[in-house]
Amino acid sequence: DAGVIQSPRHEVTEMGQEVTLRCKPISGHNSLFWYRQTMMRGLELLIYFNNNVPIDDSGMPEDRFSAKMPNASFSTLKIQPSEPRDSAVYFCASSGRGSSYNEQFFGPGTRLTVL
Amino acid sequence: AQSVTQLDSQVPVFEEAPVELRCNYSSSVSVYLFWYVQYPNQGLQLLLKYLSGSTLVESINGFEAEFNKSQTSFHLRKPSVHISDTAEYFCAVSGQGGSEKLVFGKGTKLTVNP
Repeated sequence: DAGVIQSPRHEVTEMGQEVTLRCKPISGHNSLFWYRQTMMRGLELLIYFNNNVPIDDSGMPEDRFSAKMPNASFSTLKIQPSEPRDSAVYFCASSGRGSSYNEQFFGPGTRLTVL
Repeated sequence: AQSVTQLDSQVPVFEEAPVELRCNYSSSVSVYLFWYVQYPNQGLQLLLKYLSGSTLVESINGFEAEFNKSQTSFHLRKPSVHISDTAEYFCAVSGQGGSEKLVFGKGTKLTVNP
């Protein structure tokens, strides 16, 4: 299995631009998680989906952030408009169906820099 | 709801020395406990987990952690560290039978010096 795939790996953009981060979970997994990691705040859960349905978006910072999961193999996290304080590493993780516990498998992350 | 406290943000040690990374959690329900490791410029990888049964769990690379319910702790230990163990270590907790969310601590950066 290829693991969780994220693209792009690095993104540099200017303030005010729209940014779209992409994630392909492990095949067969039914839960998907978006995290943000910064030096100041550590690892924060933004939103998670189960069976393509958003279950908990309480971590989404504000309306500029939105996430979708149109099917079991693809999710996007969009920031519009982007701001310098959105600079961070964004991780996607997935977990499997039928597990008796909640091990999550992480992608390599997207390093976002907003100038 | 659950919470995790990792008391040490940075732990420097010399190669071949023992190390303990501390983790305490808070939860009103029974929990699953995890340690994840993040090497530089990589995503998080599961190091070991406690689900049930034996309170002492081990990883394939010599780390171990012990679940202590009375002290609500899940400290990570290794008797002799290598340079390659330099990484950031995250403790995480999940409530059994409920939300799939993992609640992570803020991480401990372990630096192993020669």
